[in-house]
Amino acid sequence: GAVVSQHPSRVICKSGTSVKIECRSLDFQATTMFWYRQFPKQSLMLMATSNEGSKATYEQGVEKDKFLINHASLTLSTLTVTSAHPEDSSFYICSASPIAGGGNEQFFGPGTRLTVL
Amino acid sequence: GENVEQHPSTLSVQEGDSAVIKCTYSDSASNYFPWYKQELGKRPQLIIDIRSNVGEKKDQRIAVTLNKTAKHFSLHITETQPEDSAVYFCAARGSTLGRLYFGRGTQLTVWP
Repeated sequence: GAVVSQHPSRVICKSGTSVKIECRSLDFQATTMFWYRQFPKQSLMLMATSNEGSKATYEQGVEKDKFLINHASLTLSTLTVTSAHPEDSSFYICSASPIAGGGNEQFFGPGTRLTVL
Repeated sequence: GENVEQHPSTLSVQEGDSAVIKCTYSDSASNYFPWYKQELGKRPQLIIDIRSNVGEKKDQRIAVTLNKTAKHFSLHITETQPEDSAVYFCAARGSTLGRLYFGRGTQLTVWP
């Protein structure tokens, strides 16, 4: 089946530092990947849609200069949280849709738990 | 944009009973409706999905029904087991960029 990995799974950083999270589709190619943030006991909130070879599309209220997205290839997208603050602490999850599947199914990565001290 | 409403927010059932979770959506152009199961601290797992040209789909103890006219779809779990306990999310794929719009989730607890 389609597998999506994320790295790191857990990160703790000091306020003001930047953190990079990688999302990889391991056995399929994905033109589009999605980045979500999930706070405890809440639903997944889409932050941005990452398109290979072009700029990401950000949801309203998400600062593109704070959450930098780079979709370098058909199997890799990265999210960099710049100048992280405690309120950025959350569970960040990516997802990807296989090109071969017509873009319907989305498979999620295992998530990255970010804690900003 | 699309708006997905999900009910109930919590659901407790006895082992062996059935559980039903309902969702409504607003965009008549939405054409794909997946259901995800998420255990605490883990990734959402696709458990079943349905496309807009189908009214019902079943996979063992899990079924999904879709009413396009009324713009609602439901998840049915029969013969529930304690391991079915998790948060379930419905979603609708809108017409924009293939993104999914998620419901708020339902915490299902199955008591042994």
